[in-house]
Amino acid sequence: AQSVTQLDSHVSVSEGTPVLLRCNYSSSYSPSLFWYVQHPNKGLQLLLKYTSAATLVKGINGFEAEFKKSETSFHLTKPSAHMSDAAEYFCVVSAEYGNKLVFGAGTILRVKS
Amino acid sequence: NAGVTQTPKFQVLKTGQSMTLQCAQDMNHEYMSWYRQDPGMGLRLIHYSVGAGITDQGEVPNGYNVSRSTTEDFPLRLLSAAPSQTSVYFCASSYSTGLSTDTQYFGPGTRLTVL
Repeated sequence: AQSVTQLDSHVSVSEGTPVLLRCNYSSSYSPSLFWYVQHPNKGLQLLLKYTSAATLVKGINGFEAEFKKSETSFHLTKPSAHMSDAAEYFCVVSAEYGNKLVFGAGTILRVKS
Repeated sequence: NAGVTQTPKFQVLKTGQSMTLQCAQDMNHEYMSWYRQDPGMGLRLIHYSVGAGITDQGEVPNGYNVSRSTTEDFPLRLLSAAPSQTSVYFCASSYSTGLSTDTQYFGPGTRLTVL
């Protein structure tokens, strides 16, 4: 069965500095991987997704993630954090067939001014 | 398009009460699902549907029922509420039923408290 581990429950950065949110996955097949963001008291919004095309995936708001099969990782990065990036981020893996999603526990990103 | 809508936004129940959380989408999506979100646990799949008249269990189905009589609507029923069902509930939908690459769209959530 597939699983997702987000390595940090909380990350704190200063505005204007790089963001790194780490995600490792476990899967017996080539998965589809997603990053979703949830702002306080809001629903979930898709940031980006990997679907076995390019390993470097660009998303909205300047975020990108790199799929590394050898490391079973899908880390999320952004060169320069903005105050509006403060939110909870979820790394998600899909089932081999169908649309079931398996979520990581989430990483709360805090951006300091 | 309104996308995925959920009602109510907030609900407080007493133990043993029943209620239905409503979910609707206007994108003609075949696949719909319900998740619950608990602190430190991400989202966990409760039930899902691959089309009208077809539903199946997810990871945490106990205490919940679903039905899908139309493409648009996918209500979640709590039969006898328990404090362990205090959570935030999200409904999601996607166009296809067999593509793991398909993007899922989430509703704004229902925050449920069971006393």
